[in-house]
Amino acid sequence: DAGVTQSPTHLIKTRGQQVTLRCSPISGHKSVSWYQQVLGQGPQFIFQYYEKEERGRGNFPDRFSARQFPNYSSELNVNALLLGDSALYLCASSLEPRQLQSPLHFGNGTRLTVT
Amino acid sequence: DAKTTQPNSMESNEEEPVHLPCNHSTISGTDYIHWYRQLPSQGPEYVIHGLTSNVNNRMASLAIAEDRKSSTLILHRATLRDAAVYYCTGGNMLTFGGGTRLMVKP
Repeated sequence: DAGVTQSPTHLIKTRGQQVTLRCSPISGHKSVSWYQQVLGQGPQFIFQYYEKEERGRGNFPDRFSARQFPNYSSELNVNALLLGDSALYLCASSLEPRQLQSPLHFGNGTRLTVT
Repeated sequence: DAKTTQPNSMESNEEEPVHLPCNHSTISGTDYIHWYRQLPSQGPEYVIHGLTSNVNNRMASLAIAEDRKSSTLILHRATLRDAAVYYCTGGNMLTFGGGTRLMVKP
């Protein structure tokens, strides 16, 4: 079975631009979460979606938005990019919105560089 | 969410056991404790999880303290491929701390 897939793998943008990152969860997984990982730090939670509804939001500005589609894939959008948005963006899928018994399955991320 | 505390780094010799500790004193009674590891240039990989009892799988063992305020990930025989950053998480698992960088010496 295919794991979590993210596209693109790498991206270079200029300050002020907008970016859209995409994620396809494991088949059968209805929950998708997004994380930002700055070099040398652990992943920081951005959003969680379950059944197309936002179930949680981390401490990120409104420039960050996301959505989940009927096929459970998801997009993360970031507007008005800042240099500090440069990071690895990770998508994770799971069976449930709360990680009670089902673990998170991560993709390998999208490396975003803002110049 | 539960706040987790782990040592920044640990070192082990190849083929020796490794015990990676984690404190999660604010975890609620119904939240599972999960462990992940991350290799360079990859996303985190699930290792193991548990609620109250000790757990074993093909990758590792998880020992959970009776009061659930701490847990220990046990790698029974470290290999060079186990060198990674190990994260423990609790609660909604939406919060990852800094993790422990495990270095394995041949």
